[in-house]
Amino acid sequence: DGGITQSPKYLFRKEGQNVTLSCEQNLNHDAMYWYRQDPGQGLRLIYYSQIVNDFQKGDIAEGYSVSREKKESFPLTVTSAQKNPTAFYLCASSSRDRGYSNQPQHFGDGTRLSIL
Amino acid sequence: QQPVQSPQAVILREGEDAVINCSSSKALYSVHWYRQKHGEAPVFLMILLKGGEQKGHEKISASFNEKKQQSSLYLTASQLSYSGTYFCGTAADRGSTLGRLYFGRGTQLTVWP
Repeated sequence: DGGITQSPKYLFRKEGQNVTLSCEQNLNHDAMYWYRQDPGQGLRLIYYSQIVNDFQKGDIAEGYSVSREKKESFPLTVTSAQKNPTAFYLCASSSRDRGYSNQPQHFGDGTRLSIL
Repeated sequence: QQPVQSPQAVILREGEDAVINCSSSKALYSVHWYRQKHGEAPVFLMILLKGGEQKGHEKISASFNEKKQQSSLYLTASQLSYSGTYFCGTAADRGSTLGRLYFGRGTQLTVWP
């Protein structure tokens, strides 16, 4: 079955540590997205990418970094510069058929990140 | 550019109806609706496009008022399975291929038996 796989499901970060969240999709989608979800805040866009080797900052990119070396993969690194990383992180993808804005975003099951 | 959703929360009995609104201060090209159960991934419900018709999905339908830059989600004869948080996501009116959405803060819907 096609879908988006995020791992790990739970992640704990120590002070001063960088951690990487994995996101893989086999839907052959061009676009991929990372969102952060905090209680009562909705989904806030961190980074997004429409093609390999290219990505754009979203609304809350500070303290995060991404790469898009393969179409299927879009890992997110939460750096030590992100002082409040505790949140639920969601990865999504969409096709660009007839325009990205016309296409639904498909979400992974999320990674819950906490500070030790 | 975050859209505003109302109400923030709704509590219903099974079989009752509900309306969730999503308003934007910017011209909209499309409005997406998603439902998320606690701790799970958001699930796509429907997309409404500028100039498009009202959409329906079983007992859940939605409309898009271009003049008001507002969309409404209608849940008819609600079922226990409708419980969750509903999000709208909006895309700018530029026919763009950027595809990024601005999501509202969500409306928490609880259906009791």
